[in-house]
Amino acid sequence: LAKTTQPISMDSYEGQEVNITCSHNNIATNDYITWYQQFPSQGPRFIIQGYKTKVTNEVASLFIPADRKSSTLSLPRVSLSDTAVYYCLVGDLGGGFKTIFGAGTRLFVKA
Amino acid sequence: GAVVSQHPSRVICKSGTSVKIECRSLDFQATTMFWYRQFPKKSLMLMATSNEGSKATYEQGVEKDKFLINHASLTLSTLTVTSAHPEDSSFYICSARDTSRQETQYFGPGTRLLVL
Repeated sequence: LAKTTQPISMDSYEGQEVNITCSHNNIATNDYITWYQQFPSQGPRFIIQGYKTKVTNEVASLFIPADRKSSTLSLPRVSLSDTAVYYCLVGDLGGGFKTIFGAGTRLFVKA
Repeated sequence: GAVVSQHPSRVICKSGTSVKIECRSLDFQATTMFWYRQFPKKSLMLMATSNEGSKATYEQGVEKDKFLINHASLTLSTLTVTSAHPEDSSFYICSARDTSRQETQYFGPGTRLLVL
C-alpha cells in the first residue's frame, strides 16, 4: 500500500481557493487517488477520485501530475463549513482497496 | 453517492457487556465492508476487512475474539465488541464498497461507544 504524506494543518479565509497537496511516491500502476472530508463525530465523506491529469466535480478539482507521485486537491472559494480534516488515500480499486488512512490535513477556514 | 448506515449512532454500556454495531449498505450491494475505529483527534485505524460469506481479515494487533465481525449478507455487516471495557470506548466507523462498480469506499456515519 502506498504511503501518503500531507501537511498536518492549513489555515485559510472564506472565499479563498485552498490547495492541499499529498505525496505518494510509491504509488502503484493500478492505484487510484481518493480524497475524503471528515467533520468531527462523522464518517468520512467522499470528495473526489482520480487516476491521472485532472478531475473536476461540483465541489473540488483534483490535479495529478504525469508521474503521479503527488496530487493536489483544490477547493474553490472555501466557506466556514469547509473546516474539516481532509484525507488523501491511494489504493487499487479492483484489489479490495484496503484503505490505510494517513494523518490527514486539518483545514481551518476563518471569517 | 452511495449510502451506508450504522446503528446505533451512539451507545453507552457497562463494563463487561457486549455491544453489537450494524453497518448497512442501503442502495447497493457490498461484497466487502471495512471496520475502523477512531480516537479523538486521531486518524481512522483499520480494524478488519469483512467479506460476505467468509471470515473477516483482522489487522495486526486487533483481537478477533474481542471484535467479532459477521457479514451475513451483501448489505449487512455487524461488529460485536465482546466484554467491553472502558478502553474500548471509541468512535467506530464502517465502510462499504459498491461491488458492481468497483468504486471507492463509502463510509457510514459512525457509532460512538462509551463503556462505563
